[in-house]
Amino acid sequence: GNSVTQMEGPVTLSEEAFLTINCTYTATGYPSLFWYVQYPGEGLQLLLKATKADDKGSNKGFEATYRKETTSFHLEKGSVQVSDSAVYFCALSSGGFKTIFGAGTRLFVKA
Amino acid sequence: DADVTQTPRNRITKTGKRIMLECSQTKGHDRMYWYRQDPGLGLRLIYYSFDVKDINKGEISDGYSVSRQAQAKFSLSLESAIPNQTALYFCATSDSAEGTYNEQFFGPGTRLTVL
Repeated sequence: GNSVTQMEGPVTLSEEAFLTINCTYTATGYPSLFWYVQYPGEGLQLLLKATKADDKGSNKGFEATYRKETTSFHLEKGSVQVSDSAVYFCALSSGGFKTIFGAGTRLFVKA
Repeated sequence: DADVTQTPRNRITKTGKRIMLECSQTKGHDRMYWYRQDPGLGLRLIYYSFDVKDINKGEISDGYSVSRQAQAKFSLSLESAIPNQTALYFCATSDSAEGTYNEQFFGPGTRLTVL
């Protein structure tokens, strides 16, 4: 079946450091891929998405590229801020109605 | 105003009690979902509904039931709560329209503690 694997956290970085959170997936067909972010005390919200191979999703300085050859969708940001501290979920949707989420990666950014 | 609301936001109850969590949305979406979040396990799907007359079990539906009272309302019930149902519960919606790719919109969550 479909699955998403993302790196375990927590990830602790200093402000302005480079961020990578790895995500790989297993899916039949051509899924859409997502990164969701959960700030403390809130529900998840969409951060970015890519719907076909080689697409790059981007938002708020975050980027992720849909790599079909490596079945990956790694999240990157060049310079993190304290306000980026949150839990990040990689997810896929295939077949149009169900979304599979990874376990989440908690990010702490220190000033 | 929030597009997806959940009540209550926090609830403490005792083993064996019946509990209902409610979800309302103003987004006009046809699809609604209930998930539970446990540390290190991500989100797991409990039930989902494509419209008022179409309700489906997710991967962890045992011990739960749902009701879709209207397109905008989807409630989750724990018939007889047990301590391992202590978790954070999220309602979500999505639009079935072409090109939406099933992007999900989440409520703020209900933190449930079963003693």
